[in-house]
Amino acid sequence: KQEVTQIPAALSVPEGENLVLNCSFTDSAIYNLQWFRQDPGKGLTSLLLIQSSQREQTSGRLNASLDKSSGRSTLYIAASQPGDSATYLCAAETSGSRLTFGEGTQLTVNP
Amino acid sequence: EAGVAQSPRYKIIEKRQSVAFWCNPISGHATLYWYQQILGQGPKLLIQFQNNGVVDDSQLPKDRFSAERLKGVDSTLKIQPAKLEDSAVYLCASSPRGLGNEQFFGPGTRLTVL
Repeated sequence: KQEVTQIPAALSVPEGENLVLNCSFTDSAIYNLQWFRQDPGKGLTSLLLIQSSQREQTSGRLNASLDKSSGRSTLYIAASQPGDSATYLCAAETSGSRLTFGEGTQLTVNP
Repeated sequence: EAGVAQSPRYKIIEKRQSVAFWCNPISGHATLYWYQQILGQGPKLLIQFQNNGVVDDSQLPKDRFSAERLKGVDSTLKIQPAKLEDSAVYLCASSPRGLGNEQFFGPGTRLTVL
C-alpha cells in the first residue's frame, strides 16, 4: 500500500525567500508524481506533473524534481511571494490511476 | 474550456439524514473520481469511474455511500444515512483517460454533519 509523507507540515517564510517542500513515497512503482496547490475553501489546482521517466519539471518560479529510486520528490519555489501562501499537496499515481496524497504543507509567505 | 463543476458548494445536515452531491466533469473526460478530504488531511479516493463503469471502489463505505455515473458524463455521490465522521470536503476530479493523465479537480462540496 502506497504511503505519501510531506515534510514540513507547516512553513512560514519572509517574502523573497527560496524554499523547498519535501514529499516521500513508500512504493517506487509510480506512474507519475503530481504537485497541487489548495487555497482555503477551494479545490485543488495542479501545479506540476512529473512522469516516472522524468527527473524534473519547471513552471515559472516552480521546479519539481523526482527521484523514484529513493522515493522522493521536492518542490522548489523561487523568490516566494505572499500570493504563494496556500497548502501544497503531492500525490503519487500508482496502478489503476489511483492518486495517493500526502497530508500537505501549509505555506505562509509574510510580506 | 469549462472546468469540473460541483454542486452544492456547502451542505449542512443532521446525522442519519441523507445527502447527494453532483459533479459534471470536463467535456470529453472519460475518467471521473470522487475524493473525500477530511480537515487537515490529503484527499482520499472513494470511487473511480471509467465512462459509466466502476474501476475502483475499494475505499467506498458501501453500507452508506453510493455513486453512479449515468451515460458516462455526470455523476452523483450519495450518503445515507450520514454520520458525524462524514463531515469533510467531497472533491470530484476528471481526466481524459485515467492512468498517466493529469487529474483536474472541481471546487468541492463542504459537508457538515451535526
